[in-house]
Amino acid sequence: QSALTQPPSASGSPGQSVTISCTGSSSDVGAYNFVSWYQQHSGKAPKLVLYEVSKRPSGVPDRFSGSKSGNTASLTVSGLQTDDEAHYYCSSYAGDNNYVFGTGTKVTVL
Amino acid sequence: EVQLVESGGGLVRPGGSLRLSCAASTSTLNNYAMNWVRQAPGRGLEWVSIISRGGDLTYYGDSVKGRFIISRDNSKNMLYLQMNSLRAEDTAVYYCAGEGFSIWGQGTMVTVSA
Repeated sequence: QSALTQPPSASGSPGQSVTISCTGSSSDVGAYNFVSWYQQHSGKAPKLVLYEVSKRPSGVPDRFSGSKSGNTASLTVSGLQTDDEAHYYCSSYAGDNNYVFGTGTKVTVL
Repeated sequence: EVQLVESGGGLVRPGGSLRLSCAASTSTLNNYAMNWVRQAPGRGLEWVSIISRGGDLTYYGDSVKGRFIISRDNSKNMLYLQMNSLRAEDTAVYYCAGEGFSIWGQGTMVTVSA
């Protein structure tokens, strides 16, 4: 199972928006609406910020939003804050009780 | 708030074995499938394995299939990962995660080196 493809880096100034893509295939992202996004600060465990493409867990601000089109999912972080600086990973259910993660994107708040 | 705490990591020689444990603070996670996810130094996340609520169904990523065994003891709120025939490429921080990957432990480091 190949990792989902994400851009290595993205950046934006405080208050701006940044969008991260996550490209898979018709066997994972394109086949299921079970795409999740995780935020990982340096040296910390990942934190779920979106699930089922666009749903936010309790406590995650609505500045985090998600969408999907075909084999590509996207995460948008609006109103960037310094604490949003982290690595972001997508994941998708890939069928047959398998999951696949993305390659990760480092978001820098300028 | 449910917490997960991994333990059992350490340094092991290639070909050796190690057993990781993940302790849940409550029995809530007994209602959910549980996963192991790993992260090699400086690399991304890799899904390793999943076990059903009852422990009767288990699935593995291709890179560990046939070498790792996931299990759980719901009476003790515990999740395990038995790792055999370890390779250098298994070196990583291993996280347990549950409730649809909404709850993660802090991770335990496994280093496979001679």
